[in-house]
Amino acid sequence: DIQMTQSPSSVSASVGDRVTITCRASQGISNWLGWYQQKPGKAPKLLMYAASSLQSGVPSRFSGSGSGTDFTLTISSLQPEDFATYYCQQTHSFPLTFGGGTRVEIK
Amino acid sequence: QLQLQESGPGLVKPSETLSLTCTVSGGSISSSSSYWGWIRQPPGKGLEWIGSVYYSGSTYYNPSLKSRVTIAVDTSMNQFSLKLSSVTAADTAVYYCARRSPTTWDFDYWGQGTLVTVSS
Repeated sequence: DIQMTQSPSSVSASVGDRVTITCRASQGISNWLGWYQQKPGKAPKLLMYAASSLQSGVPSRFSGSGSGTDFTLTISSLQPEDFATYYCQQTHSFPLTFGGGTRVEIK
Repeated sequence: QLQLQESGPGLVKPSETLSLTCTVSGGSISSSSSYWGWIRQPPGKGLEWIGSVYYSGSTYYNPSLKSRVTIAVDTSMNQFSLKLSSVTAADTAVYYCARRSPTTWDFDYWGQGTLVTVSS
């Protein structure tokens, strides 16, 4: 199985801050990586696919990068609606696996 | 707009079988290259992929659950289902159904999720 490790597990930030979340795969997955945002009591929402492609309707302040084993999700200017938990997921091979999540909290 | 809705009992007794159905609307479950999946999330914890089914019926399961899981598709009802046998309290979770995008392979459409509690 491919293990996905996210860091940090939580981050405190203020509106307007730049936030970067890291995801590392235990083996190379090319760019087969997605990022999701989940708010309390809601289903996850796809933000990025293929590591760096923005899902339709997602604000451009979100961006993704990386290939192989190391990936990042960046929020360029944090907005109030961005406080949530973020997950990475590899889509390279079965079993599909998620990172442990990064909670973005209000400072 | 594709919509998915989970349905099934919210309470299951230990050792029994958890059964859930996902009804797809706004599109055909038989669309070419469509994969459908189940994901769960224990209270306060992260996401775990349970398994996926292709529109043709081919299945892929998480090895950690494979001995207890059955996922099937019913194209006539535009539904797919999950059965998880011999449940314990560790199977208490919110269960989501989702569509795996035929182009990017990510889960691009999700149901709202349904909480299933395993308790006597």
